[in-house]
Amino acid sequence: NAGVTQTPKFQVLKTGQSMTLQCAQDMNHNSMYWYRQDPGMGLRLIYYSASEGTTDKGEVPNGYNVSRLNKREFSLRLESAAPSQTSVYFCASLRTGQYNEQFFGPGTRLTVL
Amino acid sequence: GENVEQHPSTLSVQEGDSAVIKCTYSDSASNYFPWYKQELGKRPQLIIDIRSNVGEKKDQRIAVTLNKTAKHFSLHITETQPEDSAVYFCAAKRDTGFQKLVFGTGTRLLVSP
Repeated sequence: NAGVTQTPKFQVLKTGQSMTLQCAQDMNHNSMYWYRQDPGMGLRLIYYSASEGTTDKGEVPNGYNVSRLNKREFSLRLESAAPSQTSVYFCASLRTGQYNEQFFGPGTRLTVL
Repeated sequence: GENVEQHPSTLSVQEGDSAVIKCTYSDSASNYFPWYKQELGKRPQLIIDIRSNVGEKKDQRIAVTLNKTAKHFSLHITETQPEDSAVYFCAAKRDTGFQKLVFGTGTRLLVSP
């Protein structure tokens, strides 16, 4: 199993440009999440998808959109990037049941100039 | 909603010493409390978790304790080693239905040889 994968690993954008961060998991998990991580701020939830076909806003959704394409894939889109969106972005999926563990992707380091 | 506070934000210890990181939570219905370790440039990974029907859980040199009455839980690392240096995140969630993990802001642990 590859676990949770993300592309790209690094990206530099100019203010106003758009891009989509891709995420996929091969563990057959229902729930998927997008977080951003900024120094001293911990992991802040942007959007999540409890199951295929549903998405909901998290703590910091402004400036982002998401698509749960199928059970495996959950993408994050920045329509008009701003310097405040410079961050490390992590995708995650959740295993439920007896062992309730959230698995993270390797992260995307995004810089907006 | 749930709010998780974590202290201290940074912790420096000598190799072989013990380290304790503390978290408090606000939602008395939360009953699942994981701890994640994030090494520099890597993704967060689950190291130990505890459910509210248990007061303490150990795994080799790490242990977690939970005080439901006071709504706080702690991570204890004994005989610290340089490879324990990382950022540690606590989190809390309800274990029933769909609930989001709420993370603390992280503790940077530095173990000096």
